[in-house]
Amino acid sequence: DVKVTQSSRYLVKRTGEKVFLECVQDMDHENMFWYRQDPGLGLRLIYFSYDVKMKEKGDIPEGYSVSREKKERFSLILESASTNQTSMYLCASSPIETGYNEQFFGPGTRLTVL
Amino acid sequence: QKEVEQDPGPLSVPEGAIVSLNCTYSNSAFQYFMWYRQYSRKGPELLMYTYSSGNKEDGRFTAQVDKSSKYISLFIRDSQPSDSATYLCAMTGSGGSNYKLTFGKGTLLTVNP
Repeated sequence: DVKVTQSSRYLVKRTGEKVFLECVQDMDHENMFWYRQDPGLGLRLIYFSYDVKMKEKGDIPEGYSVSREKKERFSLILESASTNQTSMYLCASSPIETGYNEQFFGPGTRLTVL
Repeated sequence: QKEVEQDPGPLSVPEGAIVSLNCTYSNSAFQYFMWYRQYSRKGPELLMYTYSSGNKEDGRFTAQVDKSSKYISLFIRDSQPSDSATYLCAMTGSGGSNYKLTFGKGTLLTVNP
């Protein structure tokens, strides 16, 4: 069974804080993704990575950065959290054989920025 | 025109009903089509994955793709209360800038016992 885990289910931070969201997958997938999900806006891609130390911007990378030092781990960093970054953050991974298609998601981190 | 359109619902049906969920899309480069199910406060889980046009069946679920009409459907037979969730369609092309998975906004389904 593919397992994608995220470090926290719920997180509350203050405006201006640096926030780290961690994601780990145990299926040796090459591709990893970070999305945010907001009511009425659906899932939006923030960043993705197709290999260790490689990253590509998605649709809404502003205010975010990522780090992939190991194949199984993909971190999302909010450099200076703002209230408009309050959202559900979802990490996903997919194997190289299916490209970006069969993505497996983690349970999500609901982040609130006060 | 948005790339992927999905009626947000909500859709409420009695147990045992046949459910039809649909998405339309505008990008003719899309070739891979997926349906995800998302329970409340959980991450999406992949339900069905199809390539190009045609039907695919898995138990009570059937995914249908009509590329000529740019229309995809998910049918749920003998619906159960445990099917109550938000259903997201997703699609992508291949190569170039079409690699990115594009999601519909989801349809909220409630199956009443």
